[in-house]
Amino acid sequence: GNSVTQMEGPVTLSEEAFLTINCTYTATGYPSLFWYVQYPGEGLQLLLKATKADDKGSNKGFEATYRKETTSFHLEKGSVQVSDSAVYFCALSLTGTASKLTFGTGTRLQVTL
Amino acid sequence: DVKVTQSSRYLVKRTGEKVFLECVQDMDHENMFWYRQDPGLGLRLIYFSYDVKMKEKGDIPEGYSVSREKKERFSLILESASTNQTSMYLCASSPPSGGGLYFGAGTRLSVL
Repeated sequence: GNSVTQMEGPVTLSEEAFLTINCTYTATGYPSLFWYVQYPGEGLQLLLKATKADDKGSNKGFEATYRKETTSFHLEKGSVQVSDSAVYFCALSLTGTASKLTFGTGTRLQVTL
Repeated sequence: DVKVTQSSRYLVKRTGEKVFLECVQDMDHENMFWYRQDPGLGLRLIYFSYDVKMKEKGDIPEGYSVSREKKERFSLILESASTNQTSMYLCASSPPSGGGLYFGAGTRLSVL
């Protein structure tokens, strides 16, 4: 079946530190890959996406590259801010599945001053 | 901006009650979804619908049903609420072209 594995959290960083949140996937076809962010008390928001191998998604200083050879889609940011504190979810969907997403368990990021 | 509105942010119900969670989207999206979110488990798909009056089971449909009488509205029904259905429920919608989901703010349901 399809699945997404994320690194365990919480991740605690100082402001301006480099962020990596690991995500690997298992899929029977050729998935599209997504990162969603959930701020406290809110629903999920799409952060970035990539639809084919070697695509790089980027938004708000975050980046992730679709690596087919390692089945990975790691999230990175060069310099985190306190306002980036949130829960980050990696997800995949397969073509022709009406956007049905399979999510990872989420990684909580806490950024301190 | 796409808006997905869930009728309640917080609900408290008693075991055995019939519970309705309502979701409305304003972007004419064909696809709508209900997920539940639990710590350590992430989001799990309960039901989804890709058209009016159409529904399909997700990964954890037991104890739930859904209704989609109009394109913009997708309701989740707990026929007889149980304590293990205490959770955060998230509704989402998407266009048929894919590209990701748009989520509502969620309903935190407590079943006592």
